[in-house]
Amino acid sequence: SQELEQSPQSLIVQEGKNLTINCTSSKTLYGLYWYKQKYGEGLIFLMMLQKGGEEKSHEKITAKLDEKKQQSSLHITASQPSHAGIYLCGADGNTDKLIFGTGTRLQVFP
Amino acid sequence: DARVTQTPRHKVTEMGQEVTMRCQPILGHNTVFWYRQTMMQGLELLAYFRNRAPLDDSGMPKDRFSAEMPDATLATLKIQPSEPRDSAVYFCASGAGQGREKLFFGSGTQLSVL
Repeated sequence: SQELEQSPQSLIVQEGKNLTINCTSSKTLYGLYWYKQKYGEGLIFLMMLQKGGEEKSHEKITAKLDEKKQQSSLHITASQPSHAGIYLCGADGNTDKLIFGTGTRLQVFP
Repeated sequence: DARVTQTPRHKVTEMGQEVTMRCQPILGHNTVFWYRQTMMQGLELLAYFRNRAPLDDSGMPKDRFSAEMPDATLATLKIQPSEPRDSAVYFCASGAGQGREKLFFGSGTQLSVL
């Protein structure tokens, strides 16, 4: 079965700094999804990538998909306290099932 | 705003008791997923439905867990009997069922089994 490994597991950055979160799959990536979770709440969809080399941006968050490396990265520019939370990557393995990675906990301090 | 509604938000029960968690998917969505989240295991897929039919429940302990969709507006996850290791946050998510879709998550049910 497909497994997704995220790194780092946790990240503490100062407001204004840039950061990158990585997601590596044990199998070929077809659909790769990024979600964000705030403490005590459900997940919120950020973006979905489907093609190798694809890159999408939403506000100050950019995600890229490297299909050959079976990896995706999420980059946040000029981080803000509102970016704090848990970031999870998900993959569907070309099926209906959506499984998630181990998660990266992000803290942003002023 | 359309949202996925889960009840109850919190549940504390004693080992051996039956627990039922409910989920109301977004109107018009035809896929429903149940996930369980713990610190140790992260977010695990338990079961999912399309058009009320169960497609995969391989993530669920079959002897004690059951998931159903009595109708298009209600999905249930039942644990009988509950055990302390079932303590977790259980999430329901729904999607429009068109493939490569984004899912909308409920706020979860925090279950504590004493």
